[in-house]
Amino acid sequence: GENVEQHPSTLSVQEGDSAVIKCTYSDSASNYFPWYKQELGKGPQLIIDIRSNVGEKKDQRIAVTLNKTAKHFSLHITETQPEDSAVYFCAASYNTDKLIFGTGTRLQVFP
Amino acid sequence: GAGVSQTPSNKVTEKGKYVELRCDPISGHTALYWYRQSLGQGPEFLIYFQGTGAADDSGLPNDRFFAVRPEGSVSTLKIQRTERGDSAVYLCASSLMGGTNTEAFFGQGTRLTVV
Repeated sequence: GENVEQHPSTLSVQEGDSAVIKCTYSDSASNYFPWYKQELGKGPQLIIDIRSNVGEKKDQRIAVTLNKTAKHFSLHITETQPEDSAVYFCAASYNTDKLIFGTGTRLQVFP
Repeated sequence: GAGVSQTPSNKVTEKGKYVELRCDPISGHTALYWYRQSLGQGPEFLIYFQGTGAADDSGLPNDRFFAVRPEGSVSTLKIQRTERGDSAVYLCASSLMGGTNTEAFFGQGTRLTVV
């Protein structure tokens, strides 16, 4: 079955700096790669996703890149703000119906 | 309601007892998912419903876990003879259709503690 590894487990950055989180997946059939942000006591919230027919997608300060050959994808957050502090999860699936999540990255943005 | 609603938000039960966790999906969403999240881990898939039927229950850990969605809307996750290892946050999500083109929206979860 699919296995998703995520690094780093914790990430501390200064406000205004960039943050990068990386994930690798094992199943070459996976075609959907969402990223979720989870704040304390809340459920995960989708922030951006990418499908296997696209190499890069950007939404304001957030971007995701996908390398199908290497089976890895990354989340890039630019101009970080304190409100970006949360736990971020990557996930992979075939057709979204069974998301396999990474272990999460705790991002802290210091003012 | 505007989002996925889960009740109760917290549940403490004694080892060996039976519990039911409820999920109210977003109105009109045909796909419903249950995940379990242990402390410091990512959500782990349990079961996926398309309408009233369980399309994929491969994540249910054993036969003590069962879920239903009798009318294709509200779903109940049932756990028999609870064990301390069942303690986790149980997350429910729904999406409009399932498949490749629809986003899954998560509820806030039910924190289950088995003592």
